[in-house]
Amino acid sequence: DTAVSQTPKYLVTQMGNDKSIKCEQNLGHDTMYWYKQDSKKFLKIMFSYNNKELIINETVPNRFSPKSPDKAHLNLHINSLELGDSAVYFCASSQYARTSGGNEQFFGPGTRLTVL
Amino acid sequence: ELKVEQNPLFLSMQEGKNYTIYCNYSTTSDRLYWYRQDPGKSLESLFVLLSNGAVKQEGRLMASLDTKARLSTLHITAAVHDLSATYFCAVPPNSGGSNYKLTFGKGTLLTVNP
Repeated sequence: DTAVSQTPKYLVTQMGNDKSIKCEQNLGHDTMYWYKQDSKKFLKIMFSYNNKELIINETVPNRFSPKSPDKAHLNLHINSLELGDSAVYFCASSQYARTSGGNEQFFGPGTRLTVL
Repeated sequence: ELKVEQNPLFLSMQEGKNYTIYCNYSTTSDRLYWYRQDPGKSLESLFVLLSNGAVKQEGRLMASLDTKARLSTLHITAAVHDLSATYFCAVPPNSGGSNYKLTFGKGTLLTVNP
């Protein structure tokens, strides 16, 4: 059973196109995240949703728009793709608890986006 | 702004040797996570350290947390080739709200040579 799944695994596209990445988790978690991992393997959070509500929105170009139709799904739509968007995008999920610091995050397999 | 520094960033070691990876962070936080990433793969959770003085061990890896020093260590004992991977530490903010994001270190690429 896959806990956090993403589709597609690979995405190759031309500059200027619009594309979407989908994420689903079957862990029953209430919080989901999108991270970007660049070519130097640096991981940075982009967005987070808690119970379908956007709670973290880092400094990300507004060409990136997340959508959470329910707490088990978090999608990422990217408009007008640019060369610099090439990266691996990871989805993650966790269960929020009202204690200092929060909870362990579980990561999906990643989507390798290549913009030509 | 929370900053997380790992060192070394690159570590090449012989099988059978011991070594330690360090993770320092800049602001107060009471927990820390270690992840492993194999090439082309996802991040796998290794350790969750939830309090000052926490120590956890799994096989040849042992992680510890000193929240007063803002330091975590990942100690490798008698390294084997299978441990070759990139290791990340990640630190959450200390607030109790749902605005919960992990700040990751840059990762330590560990290569274990026969």
